[in-house]
Formats: sequence, structure tokens, C-alpha cells
Amino acid sequence: DAGVIQSPRHEVTEMGQEVTLRCKPISGHDYLFWYRQTMMRGLELLIYFNNNVPIDDSGMPEDRFSAKMPNASFSTLKIQPSEPRDSAVYFCASSFSSQPQHFGDGTRLSIL
Amino acid sequence: DQQVKQNSPSLSVQEGRISILNCDYTNSMFDYFLWYKKYPAEGPTFLISISSIKDKNEDGRFTVFLNKSAKHLSLHIVPSQPGDSAVYFCAASPVHGTASKLTFGTGTRLQVTL
Repeated sequence: DAGVIQSPRHEVTEMGQEVTLRCKPISGHDYLFWYRQTMMRGLELLIYFNNNVPIDDSGMPEDRFSAKMPNASFSTLKIQPSEPRDSAVYFCASSFSSQPQHFGDGTRLSIL
Repeated sequence: DQQVKQNSPSLSVQEGRISILNCDYTNSMFDYFLWYKKYPAEGPTFLISISSIKDKNEDGRFTVFLNKSAKHLSLHIVPSQPGDSAVYFCAASPVHGTASKLTFGTGTRLQVTL
């Protein structure tokens, strides 16, 4: 079974550029989550969707971050403009109903 | 403000012995707890969970214990194997029986030595 697929696996870009991270959840899952992992703050929830609708975006750090889920099989997390402090590993996870979340392997983002 | 704390950043255990990983939480609204395991360059993988209505849940070599009055949970791995070497995260959810909106601890790196 295909798990949660994230792309790209690594992204290096210069400060000020737009960054788009992509996620394909497991087919049939109705929840999708975006997390960020840093040394300072650990793994923190940014936003999550239920049936493609954003439910809680209180973890999104600021207006430079936005997330969309246009359909059940695709989501994006966008940072515009990017800053060096956005450097982190970004994880996408999905789940079905009340079941535990399944994580992708993450995107390692470096902003120079 | 860390609502879920794993105070031991690392732990080393000999193969065959018991590994005990600890987790404390401060938010009394948390109702469902999970443990995830993470290998380098991979995403976290779900290991075991426990609802606040229980004090113990067992799955093979893995057992999770919950002490609600102390706001403390622990993961026991018996016997420990080299493949168990990974970072272990505990996580908590405020909603009974569901894994949405998880708050994670900072992780404990377990090394199982030969």
C-alpha cells in the first residue's frame, strides 16, 4: 500500500523565494495534517483538514504560510516569502476518522 | 509552554533488557495518548496508543502505562532489540479515542546496544 507521499524530499532556496510543499495522503483518509519539526520547538502541528476543509490553522506561524487542499488526494503548504527561520523538516500526515495518523517521510527545507 | 514533556533526550539499553521511556503532560484535557517511533530520514510511525479510561495497553513487546493522577505515561519495550534503536515521541490528544490535533513531546533517542 502506498503511504503518504511528500515532494520534494529536499528543497534549498534563497530567502524571499516562494516555496511549495506537496502532499498526497493515503487513499480513503479523511484527515490531513501538516507539521513542522525544528530543533527548538520539536514537532508542531501547523494546520489540519477534514474532508478537504481546514479545521484548525492556529499553528500556522504567520501570514506568509498558507495551505490548501483542493481535493481528497492532494494538499500544498506554501511559504511566500520564505525566510531562513522557516528552515525545518515539514511533515504531512493523514488518517481515517479516529485512527492514528500516518506520516510521510517529510520535506527538508533549507532557506539560505 | 511544553504541554507534553519527555525529559530524557536519550537512553541506552542493552539488547534483551527492558527499555522504559517516560512522558509527562500538563494539560488535564488530554484524553488519548500515543507513542510514535522515528528512524532517521523517515516520518514517525505509530506504535501504540492508550485511552484515558485505561491504565495499561499491551501490544507484543510494547506496553504503555498511564497514570492520570500523576499525568505521566511510560512505554516499556521488553525485550529490547537493536532494531528498536530510534527516536520515540509521545503525543497527546484532547479528544477521546481520536488522533486529531496531536501535541508531541520532544522525543527520546533510544539506543539498544549488543
